[in-house]
Parts: sequence; structure tokens; C-alpha cells
Amino acid sequence: DIVMTQAAPSVPVTPGESVSISCRSSKSLLHSNGNTYLYWFLQRPGQSPQLLIYRMSKLASGVPDRFSGSGSGTAFTLRISRVEAEDVGVYYCMQHLEYPYTFGGGTKLEIK
Amino acid sequence: QVQLQQSGAELVRPGASVALSCKASGYTFTDYEIHWVKQTPVHGLEWIGAIDPETGVTAYNQKFKDKATLTADKSSSTAYMELRSLTSEDSAVYHCTLGATVYWGQGTTLTVSS
Repeated sequence: DIVMTQAAPSVPVTPGESVSISCRSSKSLLHSNGNTYLYWFLQRPGQSPQLLIYRMSKLASGVPDRFSGSGSGTAFTLRISRVEAEDVGVYYCMQHLEYPYTFGGGTKLEIK
Repeated sequence: QVQLQQSGAELVRPGASVALSCKASGYTFTDYEIHWVKQTPVHGLEWIGAIDPETGVTAYNQKFKDKATLTADKSSSTAYMELRSLTSEDSAVYHCTLGATVYWGQGTTLTVSS
């Protein structure tokens, strides 16, 4: 199975500042078709996960452009600029290159 | 609009089985796979498996192969997940999701306790 690692269990941030959340995979998620099969989700307290980013860097519909995704085949970053209070929750990366799909352990964004 | 409506919370005895449901609306049920995800504080999010409602073909995480069975009823646009031989380790929130992407159900809390 592909292991997804989010090293930071939490990140504190001041509203208005920017923050980066990292994720690594044990195998390259770059497919031969050129797509990188990495999602980013946000799970707010008491809610189901919400898709933010797909194919590593594409913004899901309705997601503010303060969110952006980047990376290589095995190292990925979710960047949130101008953090707002509503961004609080747990951020998960997930690979969907191959079964079984696997998730990172999550990074909790906390407001200072 | 697309909705996935999951069945309500369950409290079941150890050793029993339970069937969770996920009723889809707002799209053609047979066009997309339904995936199931388990969530616990200890293990986080775990992908259980997926079913193609058109063909009934399933894919399972090996970890859940002996625990879960996925089915789909095209006539009612409902996906089901049966969990058997329940133990406290199966206590969790279970999510259904459309292709493991944008659309998720609200989650079903399963508690296994005597």
C-alpha cells in the first residue's frame, strides 16, 4: 500500500497570514498520463471531508483561490494564503493512484 | 443537486452484523462509483472499498475484505455496506462518497458495545 505521511500534526497560524501544509507519499503519484493523483481535503469540526484540490494542483469548484496545491511525484504542499477563521479544521492528503486509496494522518490548522 | 443520505446511528452488540445505507439522488446512480471510508480517532481516515453500481463490481482494501461487503440496489439508488462479526474496533464513523471526491454523505456513527 502507498503510505501517505503528514509530518505535522498541527500548525498554528495568525489570521491573515499564510501557511503551508506538507504531505509525502511512499511512491510517486505521477501517472504515465501526466496527472498526479493527489487530493487535499478539509474536514471542519462535525462535518464530512470537503474536497479542496484534485490532481495535486487543481482547485475544486467553489473553493476560494486562497488555496493552492503544488508538488512533485512524492512531495506535496497545500498553501493557504490570508488564513481566515473558517479555515480551521483538519487537512488530509489522499492518493488515488491505486487501490487501496490511502490518506495522510491529517494536519490540524489552529488559529493563534 | 447531488446528495448522499446515509442511514442513522447504530448501536449493536459485539458479534452481530449491521447494514449501513447510502441513498443517492440528484444524478444518475449508475454513472459513478460509491466509495466507503472509515474514520476513527486512532486510525484517521481509511478507505474500505468501492462499488460500481452499474455492474456490481467491487474493490476492497485487503484490511476490510473479511469485514465488509458492498452492494448496490439500482432500483432505489442506494448503496449498502454490511459489516459482520462486529467488535469494538469497528466503532467508527462510516462515510459514503461519490468517487471519493466532491460529494460525501453526512456519515453514520456505529457503536459496538454490549
